[in-house]
Amino acid sequence: KAGVTQTPRYLIKTRGQQVTLSCSPISGHRSVSWYQQTPGQGLQFLFEYFSETQRNKGNFPGRFSGRQFSNSRSEMNVSTLELGDSALYLCASGQAWGAQETQYFGPGTRLLVL
Amino acid sequence: DQQVKQNSPSLSVQEGRISILNCDYTNSMFDYFLWYKKYPAEGPTFLISISSIKDKNEDGRFTVFLNKSAKHLSLHIVPSQPGDSAVYFCAGSSNTGKLIFGQGTTLQVKP
Repeated sequence: KAGVTQTPRYLIKTRGQQVTLSCSPISGHRSVSWYQQTPGQGLQFLFEYFSETQRNKGNFPGRFSGRQFSNSRSEMNVSTLELGDSALYLCASGQAWGAQETQYFGPGTRLLVL
Repeated sequence: DQQVKQNSPSLSVQEGRISILNCDYTNSMFDYFLWYKKYPAEGPTFLISISSIKDKNEDGRFTVFLNKSAKHLSLHIVPSQPGDSAVYFCAGSSNTGKLIFGQGTTLQVKP
């Protein structure tokens, strides 16, 4: 079974631009979560989707948004990019939503904002 | 408020010996804990998990111990191998499924 895939793997943008990242979960998985990893803050939760509905949201500004499609694929959008948005963005998928659910991560998208 | 803490940023052990990675948490609502291994520029790889109703879970060379009263869990790797060298993250989750990660511990296994 193929793992979680994320595209693109690398991205360079300039301040003020917007970016869209894509995530395809493991086949059969319906939950998709997004995390941001930076050297200073570690791995931080952005949001989680299940059945096309956002179930949970982390403490990030409204510039960060996402959505999930009927095939469980998910996209994350960051508008008005700032230098501090440079990070590794990780997507994780799970079979269901809620308690005691193991999440499996994709390879991530490395975003550099200049 | 750091709900999950890995107080040792790094650990170095000799090949064949035991590696013990520690993690403390403050959130009493956590009912599921996971350990992930991460190489640079890659996504975390799931290693092992434990439910709060258990105190031990074993999978091959990896064993996770949970002490609920102390709000402490540990990952034991026996025997350690050079390929185990990576950053290890522990994470806790409650009924929302949201994972809260520690800051990670870099393990170096010397041949």
